[in-house]
Amino acid sequence: DAGVIQSPRHEVTEMGQEVTLRCKPISGHDYLFWYRQTMMRGLELLIYFNNNVPIDDSGMPEDRFSAKMPNASFSTLKIQPSEPRDSAVYFCASSFEGGQGWSTEAFFGQGTRLTVV
Amino acid sequence: AQSVTQLGSHVSVSEGALVLLRCNYSSSVPPYLFWYVQYPNQGLQLLLKYTSAATLVKGINGFEAEFKKSETSFHLTKPSAHMSDAAEYFCAVGDEKLTFGTGTRLTIIP
Repeated sequence: DAGVIQSPRHEVTEMGQEVTLRCKPISGHDYLFWYRQTMMRGLELLIYFNNNVPIDDSGMPEDRFSAKMPNASFSTLKIQPSEPRDSAVYFCASSFEGGQGWSTEAFFGQGTRLTVV
Repeated sequence: AQSVTQLGSHVSVSEGALVLLRCNYSSSVPPYLFWYVQYPNQGLQLLLKYTSAATLVKGINGFEAEFKKSETSFHLTKPSAHMSDAAEYFCAVGDEKLTFGTGTRLTIIP
């Protein structure tokens, strides 16, 4: 498997523009996570899905952020409108329930480095 | 709520010296604990994980970690540091979702 695939790797956009980040999880994984990494706040969980259903979006910073998972092989994170403070590296990760109540690890994509100017 | 605290945001060791990165956890239930490594401009990669099968966990690249319930710790060690170990290391706790520590940047001195 190619692993978790994110696109684009780098995105530079102007303040006020809409930004869409994309993620393809590992085939067979039923959990998908979106994380944001900044120097100030470290790694923050924004939202995660189980079987394409959003389970916890309490980490989504504002209504400007939205995430969807229309099917098991694709998810998007959208920021509209974007602001300079949204500049960060956004990671997508996927995992699957290992059964018997314990979890397997999360596999991370390479990340999307977003710069809003 | 589960959480982890990593002591020391930066650690420097000489090549060949012992690496010790500290992590303490807070959890009301037996935790699942993980160590991840992040190389520059890369995603996070799993080093090792604790799932209660054994208190001493061996991972990739010669790293290991010991779960100590009495100390609520899960410190990461490697007997002899290599230049290639220079990276950022994250401790994490969780089951369905992971909560990460703030990270420790490891620098190797030649």
